[in-house]
Amino acid sequence: KAGVTQTPRYLIKTRGQQVTLSCSPISGHRSVSWYQQTPGQGLQFLFEYFSETQRNKGNFPGRFSGRQFSNSRSEMNVSTLELGDSALYLCASSIGVQETQYFGPGTRLLVL
Amino acid sequence: ELKVEQNPLFLSMQEGKNYTIYCNYSTTSDRLYWYRQDPGKSLESLFVLLSNGAVKQEGRLMASLDTKARLSTLHITAAVHDLSATYFCAVGGRASGGGADGLTFGKGTHLIIQP
Repeated sequence: KAGVTQTPRYLIKTRGQQVTLSCSPISGHRSVSWYQQTPGQGLQFLFEYFSETQRNKGNFPGRFSGRQFSNSRSEMNVSTLELGDSALYLCASSIGVQETQYFGPGTRLLVL
Repeated sequence: ELKVEQNPLFLSMQEGKNYTIYCNYSTTSDRLYWYRQDPGKSLESLFVLLSNGAVKQEGRLMASLDTKARLSTLHITAAVHDLSATYFCAVGGRASGGGADGLTFGKGTHLIIQP
């Protein structure tokens, strides 16, 4: 069974731009969560989607948003990029909420 | 607010030795996870612990959970170089993050095992 896939794997943007990251969960998984990983803050929860509905959101500004499609694929969007948004963005999928989450390879975003 | 603390944050040990990584969390939760991350890679699920007294073992790694003490341990037996990685514990469930189901991670333990 294929794992969680994320595209693109690497991305360079400049301040003020916006970016959209994509995540395809493991087949049959309906829950998708997003995390930001930085050297300073570690791994932080962004949001979780289940059946196209955002169930939970972490403590991030409104510039961070996401959505989930009917095939469980998910996208996250960051608008008005700041230097501090440079990070590894990880997507994780699970069969349902509160089940073991399996992580994708991540998208490494660099904001210049 | 749920807080998850791991210690040590950095550990250098020799092959063949035993050691334990500790994970403390601040509020009641119904599930605890251990993940491994190799440099430049994503997170690999190692264990999920769901109840007090739960113990799981895979090869040279054994994880346990004491929900009363809000403590989980990851024990490494007779370490080998291939176990060098960063290990994260994460706590999930309704009690985390003000009701969120998202995982709250510790800062990770950077483990180096020297031949």
